[in-house]
Amino acid sequence: GQNIDQPTEMTATEGAIVQINCTYQTSGFNGLFWYQQHAGEAPTFLSYNVLDGLEEKGRFSSFLSRSKGYSYLLLKELQMKDSASYLCAVSGAGSYQLTFGKGTKLSVIP
Amino acid sequence: DVKVTQSSRYLVKRTGEKVFLECVQDMDHENMFWYRQDPGLGLRLIYFSYDVKMKEKGDIPEGYSVSREKKERFSLILESASTNQTSMYLCASSLKHRGNQPQHFGDGTRLSIL
Repeated sequence: GQNIDQPTEMTATEGAIVQINCTYQTSGFNGLFWYQQHAGEAPTFLSYNVLDGLEEKGRFSSFLSRSKGYSYLLLKELQMKDSASYLCAVSGAGSYQLTFGKGTKLSVIP
Repeated sequence: DVKVTQSSRYLVKRTGEKVFLECVQDMDHENMFWYRQDPGLGLRLIYFSYDVKMKEKGDIPEGYSVSREKKERFSLILESASTNQTSMYLCASSLKHRGNQPQHFGDGTRLSIL
């Protein structure tokens, strides 16, 4: 089975940097995804990590440590439109499925 | 551009009815998925399909069935709707390569069972 933990809610200030953590325990691992979901909308794909290290994509970066079962999503130069839920999801070895965490609701305040 | 279309954004049905939720994707993806999303519980997998006429149970298949007669279409069926099936239902699709292909989601169907 798989277990994924991430904080329920976070608040950060416009223009700041925020780090959203995700820890996981899995019986096999084939990659970790981050999704963004605005209220009432579909989740949209942000990033994918399968090797240890940092993947940078504009204002968003994602980090993975497989030995620690740990990932984080880093959002820089926060904007009001970044207020959303951020979902961490893990792909098991040899599987088409993703197991999702419950999501972290980020509120960006002026 | 990737497109997953769910037939209804909002749906209201009565207890005991048979309910069909339809999902169509135009990306020639082999894999398709049905999730439900509830506050505090996150996204939970109901069923998925990795090929036409193939289906696999997810984490919470009870009370649901699915149909995949064509590659682009994946239907979720509530055999006899109950109030605890009131939820947001999300369909997704992905390419078949194991594990490292992102899933693309439809806009969701908010289903209320009265």
